[in-house]
Amino acid sequence: DAGITQSPRHKVTETGTPVTLRCHQTENHRYMYWYRQDPGHGLRLIHYSYGVKDTDKGEVSDGYSVSRSKTEDFLLTLESATSSQTSVYFCAIHGTSGSSSYEQYFGPGTRLTVT
Amino acid sequence: DAKTTQPPSMDCAEGRAANLPCNHSTISGNEYVYWYRQIHSQGPQYIIHGLKNNETNEMASLIITEDRKSSTLILPHATLRDTAVYYCIVRVGQGGSEKLVFGKGMKLTVNP
Repeated sequence: DAGITQSPRHKVTETGTPVTLRCHQTENHRYMYWYRQDPGHGLRLIHYSYGVKDTDKGEVSDGYSVSRSKTEDFLLTLESATSSQTSVYFCAIHGTSGSSSYEQYFGPGTRLTVT
Repeated sequence: DAKTTQPPSMDCAEGRAANLPCNHSTISGNEYVYWYRQIHSQGPQYIIHGLKNNETNEMASLIITEDRKSSTLILPHATLRDTAVYYCIVRVGQGGSEKLVFGKGMKLTVNP
C-alpha cells in the first residue's frame, strides 16, 4: 500500500470554528489532492497541489484553503466550518514515474462532522 | 473531460464473471478510460486503465469497443470482496496533473 496517512481520522467540531486536516505521504510524490465525498455524490475535488507551494482550486473549493510547505504534507483548512462541510475527506497522491504516474493512491479518509 | 454513464447497480453471483458496462460516447481521441473502485468507507482503489487496446492485469480486464464509445470492465471470477462501487472515468493523458472526475459510479453486489 502507498504510504499515505490522514489525520485526524474522525473529528467533530462546532460551526464557525477553524479546522485543519492533514495528509502525509512517504512516497515523495509530486501531486497531492483533497476530495470530499457526500451521500449521493461521487468524490469531488476540492484543491490539489502539483508541487511545494504550488496549489490550485478544484470544483468545490469555496470555504477551503490548502497549504503545502513540504513535499510530504498537504493541509486542508476549513476557515470557518459550516454544517454543509460535514463530509468524508479523502487525500490522494500520484507521482511521475512508473505506475505512480497514472495511478492515484487514496488515503483512508477523515470523517468530519460539523454541529 | 468526457462524461461517462454507468447503470446504478448490478448483481453478480460469486465465482461468475462480472461484466461492468460504461458508456462514454463523447470521448476524445486522447482520453483514457480509467476504472477505480471503492469498497465501503475506504478510499478508492485503482483497477485498470486503457486508451484503445484491451488491457488485462491481475485484477481485471478492460475491453474498449473499436469506436471507443463504450467499455466493459471484467472481473473474471467475482468474489464477495469485489462488492464495491465501481467508477468509470475518462480523462486526458495518463500522467501529469491527474484531476479525476468521479461520477456516482455503479454499485456491484456479489452474492454467495
